[in-house]
Amino acid sequence: GAVVSQHPSWVICKSGTSVKIECRSLDFQATTMFWYRQFPKQSLMLMATSNEGSKATYEQGVEKDKFLINHASLTLSTLTVTSAHPEDSSFYICSASVAEDTQYFGPGTRLTVL
Amino acid sequence: QQQVKQSPQSLIVQKGGISIINCAYENTAFDYFPWYQQFPGKGPALLIAIRPDVSEKKEGRFTISFNKSAKQFSLHIMDSQPGDSATYFCAASTYTGTASKLTFGTGTRLQVTL
Repeated sequence: GAVVSQHPSWVICKSGTSVKIECRSLDFQATTMFWYRQFPKQSLMLMATSNEGSKATYEQGVEKDKFLINHASLTLSTLTVTSAHPEDSSFYICSASVAEDTQYFGPGTRLTVL
Repeated sequence: QQQVKQSPQSLIVQKGGISIINCAYENTAFDYFPWYQQFPGKGPALLIAIRPDVSEKKEGRFTISFNKSAKQFSLHIMDSQPGDSATYFCAASTYTGTASKLTFGTGTRLQVTL
């Protein structure tokens, strides 16, 4: 149980285009989903917290207009990287919260912006 | 105050040996301490977690030791195997009423040699 999927697993796009990443909880309903960013050999950095039906809460320094988050249902959250640039290339990981604290992570999405 | 300090940065252990990773925190409001295992190119997987009302928790070959007064906790991997070679992250969180944001340690790259 507690499986989280992400799609796509990797994506390559041209600079200036937008990319959408989906995060789904497959076997449970997640009231809260989280989006992280991870650079090579570094720890996970929380970008935003997403609650179903409400606006996402962004961490300090994260541009909300660049990283659009939609949590349309209890099993789906999306992250859209708008006008992507090479510096946005990274490993993006979502997680979903089952109980109050337990977070289960997706497999991640590798974004490369050319 | 939100930091979680993790050591060592990297660790090499022989097959069958004990791997020990340590974490320390400052925020006494933290009340949930999970450990995650991450393989290259994959999302973190929850290994084991503990709350501060117990001093030790064991699941298979993995044990968390927790010292509330010292604000430290550690992961012990008994009978380490080459398949355990991965990056391990400690984390801590406190429930804020709507979500529990995880604060991650910097990670420990474990290599188990034959």
